[in-house]
Amino acid sequence: DGGITQSPKYLFRKEGQNVTLSCEQNLNHDAMYWYRQDPGQGLRLIYYSQIVNDFQKGDIAEGYSVSREKKESFPLTVTSAQKNPTAFYLCASSVSITGRVDQPQHFGDGTRLSIL
Amino acid sequence: AQKVTQAQTEISVVEKEDVTLDCVYETRDTTYYLFWYKQPPSGELVFLIRRNSFDEQNEISGRYSWNFQKSTSSFNFTITASQVVDSAVYFCALSEGQGAQKLVFGQGTRLTINP
Repeated sequence: DGGITQSPKYLFRKEGQNVTLSCEQNLNHDAMYWYRQDPGQGLRLIYYSQIVNDFQKGDIAEGYSVSREKKESFPLTVTSAQKNPTAFYLCASSVSITGRVDQPQHFGDGTRLSIL
Repeated sequence: AQKVTQAQTEISVVEKEDVTLDCVYETRDTTYYLFWYKQPPSGELVFLIRRNSFDEQNEISGRYSWNFQKSTSSFNFTITASQVVDSAVYFCALSEGQGAQKLVFGQGTRLTINP
């Protein structure tokens, strides 16, 4: 079945440590996104990518970094500069961003990140 | 700036009752898209419906229906004869009509259906 796979499901970070969240999709979608969800709040956009080797900052990019070396993969690194990383992280993909803003985004199961 | 407001933080009803989830949005664009997503306890967001700003026709899908009113900037979601499986967090989201698709989400409404 086509879909989005996020791993790990749970992740713990020590102080000063960088951690990387994985996101893989086999939907052949061009666009991919990373969101952060805090308790009782909606999703906020961290980064998005329209095509391979290109990505843009979302609303809360500080303390995060991404790469898009393959169409299927869009890993997110939470750096030590992110002082409040505890949250639920969701990855999504859609057919394409440009010219198809009506297309729904498809989401993975999420990764829950906590501070040790 | 775009904004989506879901004023109902939590709703709890008894099974078989009808329930309406409110969504109010703000945008300066004349072309935009509205979405509803469901987030069950497993965590992933499930797409329910999309509506563009030029189509105010209401939509019904089984027990689900959506009422889009541009005059009040609202896109409300009604579940008829609710079931326990409808328990989830529901999000309303807004996308601009051009450029990159950057969804703006509401805060979500946690719906609990009690048996």
